[in-house]
Amino acid sequence: EVQLLESGGGLVQPGGSLRLSCAASGFTFSSYAMNWVRQAPGKGLEWVSTITSGDNTYYADSVKGRFTISRDNFKNTLYLQMNSLRADDTAVYYCAKDHYASGTYGNDYWGQGTLVTVSS
Amino acid sequence: DIKLTQSPSFLSASVGDRVTITCRASQGISSYLVWYQQKPGKAPKLLIYAASTLQSGVPSRFSGSGSGTEFTLTISSLQPEDFATYYCQQLKSYPPRTFGQGTKVEIK
Repeated sequence: EVQLLESGGGLVQPGGSLRLSCAASGFTFSSYAMNWVRQAPGKGLEWVSTITSGDNTYYADSVKGRFTISRDNFKNTLYLQMNSLRADDTAVYYCAKDHYASGTYGNDYWGQGTLVTVSS
Repeated sequence: DIKLTQSPSFLSASVGDRVTITCRASQGISSYLVWYQQKPGKAPKLLIYAASTLQSGVPSRFSGSGSGTEFTLTISSLQPEDFATYYCQQLKSYPPRTFGQGTKVEIK
């Protein structure tokens, strides 16, 4: 059974940093691109970042230069290092697995989400 | 960047109704479009990929169609468990992997 379990969320002050983790199991983690998607309170879904199986990384303009996605294929874990956090980064952050290796068929498994609140 | 516009943003329907949601792309994306369903407090669930392929385990009352710039998600007979918010997402050209703004389906 595929499972994705996020952790690391919490309350942080503006300008602060946080690292999210997503522990994966039930599939060959190294073979799939992984993603972070966020959802601000009462708002829609926003794609944040993708890391391919070959470690190519992509970012939304809103987080480029502040967030870093990475993966540890030995630990089957996805990470999101978030620096220079702003109030508008407040959201539930989901990790999500690509459906197929091609990257064009969406995300078939999602974690339960972890809440990041940026506030003084 | 490719923009996706869903319509309507909100719809009120009854159990048994046929429901259609449209997603329009600002430029052609072939069939690189997926649909998700999200219920309050839950993660999104993949319903349709490649514009029209039903994800495993999704009821056959859901269907998707379209290519290029116009796509539809149809629920043939709305069930109580279908009341949720639906999102389209394009995967033709990224970054970014754009989402539509969502369509909330509520009970009439």
